[in-house]
Amino acid sequence: AAGVIQSPRHLIKEKRETATLKCYPIPRHDTVYWYQQGPGQDPQFLISFYEKMQSDKGSIPDRFSAQQFSDYHSELNMSSLELGDSALYFCASSLRRVDEQYFGPGTRLTVT
Amino acid sequence: AQSVTQPDIHITVSEGASLELRCNYSYGATPYLFWYVQSPGQGLQLLLKYFSGDTLVQGIKGFEAEFKRSQSSFNLRKPSVHWSDAAEYFCAVAPPEGDYKLSFGAGTTVTVRA
Repeated sequence: AAGVIQSPRHLIKEKRETATLKCYPIPRHDTVYWYQQGPGQDPQFLISFYEKMQSDKGSIPDRFSAQQFSDYHSELNMSSLELGDSALYFCASSLRRVDEQYFGPGTRLTVT
Repeated sequence: AQSVTQPDIHITVSEGASLELRCNYSYGATPYLFWYVQSPGQGLQLLLKYFSGDTLVQGIKGFEAEFKRSQSSFNLRKPSVHWSDAAEYFCAVAPPEGDYKLSFGAGTTVTVRA
């Protein structure tokens, strides 16, 4: 069965650079969630999209933005990267907003 | 605000022994409840979920969890652990309306000894 695809899997950036993370949900899933998991931490909700519209927002820095495109894939754009942005970024998708979430393998971002 | 507490940071269990991971939540209404497992460097896999109905929920890999409203708990159990169960386990809650954004507990790391 198709799963959530995230790219890239690993990304190394320097401080003040920008990064773009991509998420391809399971086919027919219309809802995408982004989570950030710092080292030794639990995942924290960042932002979600339903039918290409932002539906909820969590602890996402103003330096970050995201969108969901017409094909339902989503991109998380991160600017002015800081050392503290180093984390594992998960994308999850669900069919409708009221269904269980399926997580991708994550993108490990390292900021040096 | 909702919160999820996993009191045990680390549990060591012998292979073949039983396992119980605790989870307590604080929420205005009964939220939707989930248990996820994460192997090192891997994504999160859903073990089981509780939305309503039977308070004893069966999941994958031989896991089960029991919802106890009076105790605001959703403890995870497995009768006999296998070495492959060594991982980090997260309890999570989601509001019963709107988006199912998940709030996770701090996680419990399970070590299985031979």
